[in-house]
Amino acid sequence: AQSVTQLDSQVPVFEEAPVELRCNYSSSVSVYLFWYVQYPNQGLQLLLKYLSGSTLVKGINGFEAEFNKSQTSFHLRKPSVHISDTAEYFCAVSEESNSGYALNFGKGTSLLVTP
Amino acid sequence: KAGVTQTPRYLIKTRGQQVTLSCSPISGHRSVSWYQQTPGQGLQFLFEYFSETQRNKGNFPGRFSGRQFSNSRSEMNVSTLELGDSALYLCASSLRSGASYNEQFFGPGTRLTVL
Repeated sequence: AQSVTQLDSQVPVFEEAPVELRCNYSSSVSVYLFWYVQYPNQGLQLLLKYLSGSTLVKGINGFEAEFNKSQTSFHLRKPSVHISDTAEYFCAVSEESNSGYALNFGKGTSLLVTP
Repeated sequence: KAGVTQTPRYLIKTRGQQVTLSCSPISGHRSVSWYQQTPGQGLQFLFEYFSETQRNKGNFPGRFSGRQFSNSRSEMNVSTLELGDSALYLCASSLRSGASYNEQFFGPGTRLTVL
């Protein structure tokens, strides 16, 4: 069975500082990994995804993530954050399946960017 | 292209009642998934429908059910509501099912409050 652990429930950071949101997963098979962002009173928006190939994945809004198979991690990074990046961030994993499609989400990390 | 729409956006019910939530996927998308989001449990997968068939189901009691129509619109129903059913219910659509790497596009959600 697959599971996702987001190690930090809240991450406060100053504007223009770098940030890393941590995500670890457990799975016995090959996985697909995703980061989603949720702004207040909105649904989820895909930031980036790892399916295969290069372990460094670039997404929207200047975010990137690195897939590390040996450490079973998929940490999200941004070199310089903006106030508008304040939101909830979710890491998710999905396994290849012939019986359907389900994303397994972490508990989320609340990113708070202050001036 | 219009995004995923969910109706209603907010709903207040009392214990013991039943409720029906509606989701219209992005045009051309045939897979619709439902998720429950609560502060305590986070995002949890409910079920996925593809071509009017339930393809996958999460670990929820039988009070939670759904269906999909020929135009891919989907409804989910919760019977005999409990206080713990208060949550944000998110619908997501994707082009295909059975392939875990398909990107899911989320709607804004329906906020259900059970009194």
